[in-house]
Amino acid sequence: RKEVEQDPGPFNVPEGATVAFNCTYSNSASQSFFWYRQDCRKEPKLLMSVYSSGNEDGRFTAQLNRASQYISLLIRDSKLSDSATYLCVVNMGKKTSYDKVIFGPGTSLSVIP
Amino acid sequence: GAVVSQHPSWVICKSGTSVKIECRSLDFQATTMFWYRQFPKQSLMLMATSNEGSKATYEQGVEKDKFLINHASLTLSTLTVTSAHPEDSSFYICSARRGGGYEQYFGPGTRLTVT
Repeated sequence: RKEVEQDPGPFNVPEGATVAFNCTYSNSASQSFFWYRQDCRKEPKLLMSVYSSGNEDGRFTAQLNRASQYISLLIRDSKLSDSATYLCVVNMGKKTSYDKVIFGPGTSLSVIP
Repeated sequence: GAVVSQHPSWVICKSGTSVKIECRSLDFQATTMFWYRQFPKQSLMLMATSNEGSKATYEQGVEKDKFLINHASLTLSTLTVTSAHPEDSSFYICSARRGGGYEQYFGPGTRLTVT
């Protein structure tokens, strides 16, 4: 089993739609979680951190379920500019001087006019 | 804040030569820097993690003698691809993390083409 798995995608949705991405991780010792977005041929950019209590930033809502080892990202009222690949990132925390950061394979989103 | 730069942004080199890529945190001190590689239509693959002043920790399958990493200061890490071959052609991205935090801030990447 891969350490971080995501919906395979691609997701093609009309403008204004609500879309949800799912991510699961295998290591229960994982400490912190993030969603990044990556535009084609560009570097990933941090979208939001994910907390156990859930967090919201405008049209974006992230949820974490530690018991199920599951993370989600909800995008409401999709815009054309939301088209990108969304990466689920899991950090297993600091272990002496080394910590392991794992990127999921990403889920591609295309928002269609 | 949290800007990371990389240089060069793209490079073409001949097989057998070495290429050095620099990663700098411009407005913060990065206790940890990460180097990733990304092939077309694939996800980022972590190559190594480096902490300032210590040797880098390489992921399984990444040759440390081929990909030399130096994290000499809190704002600079370098990756040198030695004796580059066409199969090393890829998008190399670094990221930096502030001390005490978990978020990573990415550089714009370096596109390496080995002919």
